[in-house]
Amino acid sequence: DVVLTQTPVSLSVTLGDQASISCRSSQSLEYSDGYTYLEWYLQKPGQSPQLLIYGVSNRFSGVPDRFIGSGSGTDFTLKISRVEPEDLGVYYCFQATHDPWTFGGGTKLELK
Amino acid sequence: AVQLVESGGGLVQPKESLKISCAASGFTFSNAAMYWVRQAPGKGLEWVARIRTKPNNYATYYADSVKGRFTISRDDSKSMVYLQMDNLKTEDTAMYYCTAAPNWGQGVMVTVSS
Repeated sequence: DVVLTQTPVSLSVTLGDQASISCRSSQSLEYSDGYTYLEWYLQKPGQSPQLLIYGVSNRFSGVPDRFIGSGSGTDFTLKISRVEPEDLGVYYCFQATHDPWTFGGGTKLELK
Repeated sequence: AVQLVESGGGLVQPKESLKISCAASGFTFSNAAMYWVRQAPGKGLEWVARIRTKPNNYATYYADSVKGRFTISRDDSKSMVYLQMDNLKTEDTAMYYCTAAPNWGQGVMVTVSS
C-alpha cells in the first residue's frame, strides 16, 4: 500500500506567517493517464474534512489563493501564505492513484 | 445543495455486525462514486471503501484493514450507500464519514466494545 508521510506533525505559527507542509509518498502518484491524484484536506475542530486542493495544485471552489499546492512524483507541498485564524486545524494529504487509497498522518496547524 | 446524511451507528460488541447507511441528495447519485472514510477518536483519517457507478460495474475496493469483513453497496433508486460491517473489532471504533467527492457527511459514530 502507498504510505504518505507528512511533516511536520504539528506546526505553530503566528497569524500572518507562511506555513509549509510536506507530503512524501512511498510510490510515484502519477497515474497511467498522466494525472496525479494527490489532494489536500483541512479538518477544522469538530467538523468534517473539507477539500482544499486536487490534482496537486488545483484549488477547489472558494479556496483562497493563499493556499498553494505543488510537487510531482513522490514529493508534494502545501504552502499557506499569510495564515489566518480560519486556517487552523489538521491538514491531510490524500492519494487516489493507487488502490487502496490512503491518507497522510496529518499536520496540526496551531497558533504559536 | 448536496447533502450526505449518515445513520445507523451505535454501540456493538466485538464480533457482532452493524450496517450503516448514507442518504444522498442534491446531485445525480447514480453518476457518483461513493466512499466511506473513518476516523478513530483522536486519530487521523483512514479511507475505508469505495463503490463505483453502474457503467463501472459497481466495482468495489477496500482498505486492507477491513477487506473480507466490510461490504460497501449502493441503491441508486433510493440514492443510498451502505456499509455492512461484520466481525467488528475494537479497532473499528470510529466516526464513519460518507463522501461523494468533494462533499462529506457529518459522520456517524460506531463504537465496538464489550
